[in-house]
Amino acid sequence: DTGVSQDPRHKITKRGQNVTFRCDPISEHNRLYWYRQTLGQGPEFLTYFQNEAQLEKSRLLSDRFSAERPKGSFSTLEIQRTEQGDSAMYLCASSSRHPDEQYFGPGTRLTVT
Amino acid sequence: AQKVTQAQTEISVVEKEDVTLDCVYETRDTTYYLFWYKQPPSGELVFLIRRNSFDEQNEISGRYSWNFQKSTSSFNFTITASQVVDSAVYFCALREMDSSYKLIFGSGTRLLVRP
Repeated sequence: DTGVSQDPRHKITKRGQNVTFRCDPISEHNRLYWYRQTLGQGPEFLTYFQNEAQLEKSRLLSDRFSAERPKGSFSTLEIQRTEQGDSAMYLCASSSRHPDEQYFGPGTRLTVT
Repeated sequence: AQKVTQAQTEISVVEKEDVTLDCVYETRDTTYYLFWYKQPPSGELVFLIRRNSFDEQNEISGRYSWNFQKSTSSFNFTITASQVVDSAVYFCALREMDSSYKLIFGSGTRLLVRP
C-alpha cells in the first residue's frame, strides 16, 4: 500500500525561473489537494481537484501558479517567474469520497534564491 | 469567518508525563469536521483523528484521547504517559462541510518530550 508521493523532494531555483512539482495520490483516491506550508505555520490550502476537475482555488493561488490533473491521476503544480516569497514546503494530499480524511505526501521544499 | 487557534506554541515535558494540546475553533457552519495531524521531524503530516460536529463523544485510542466540547468550541488532545517518539508538531484543523473541501489549520504546537 503506497502513500502519496511527491517529486522532487527538494528544489532550489533562482528567482524568475519556472518550477514544476508532481504529486501521485493514493491510487484509489479521486480527490487531490495542494497546500503550502511556511516555517512555523500550519499548511494553507491552495487548490482542490475531484478527478480531473479543479473545483476550488484559494486566493493565495496567484496568476503565476497553475495546477493540473489531466487524467484524474497525478497532478502537477507549476510556479512561473518564482519569487523569494514562494519559498515554502508544497504539500499534496489525497482522499477518497468516503471516508474523506486527507492523507499527505512528504512535500516538496522549494528554495528560491 | 473560520479560524483555528492553537495558543500553545511549544510544550516541553519529561517522558511519562501527561500532556494536553489545546485547540479552539471558529466557524459559522453547523456541520463541520475537526482533525488532528502529527508532523514529526521527517516532515510528513500524519492523520490522527477526525470528529464530526454531531458527535461530541470523547475518543480514546491507546495513549491518545480527544475531548470535543461544542459549548467552548474546543477540541483538545491529550497524550498519556508521553514518550520521546511523541516529539513532533501537532496541528488541529477544521473543515466546513457546507462550503468547502479545504482544511483550515492552526499554527501548530511543538511538543518536545525529554527522556
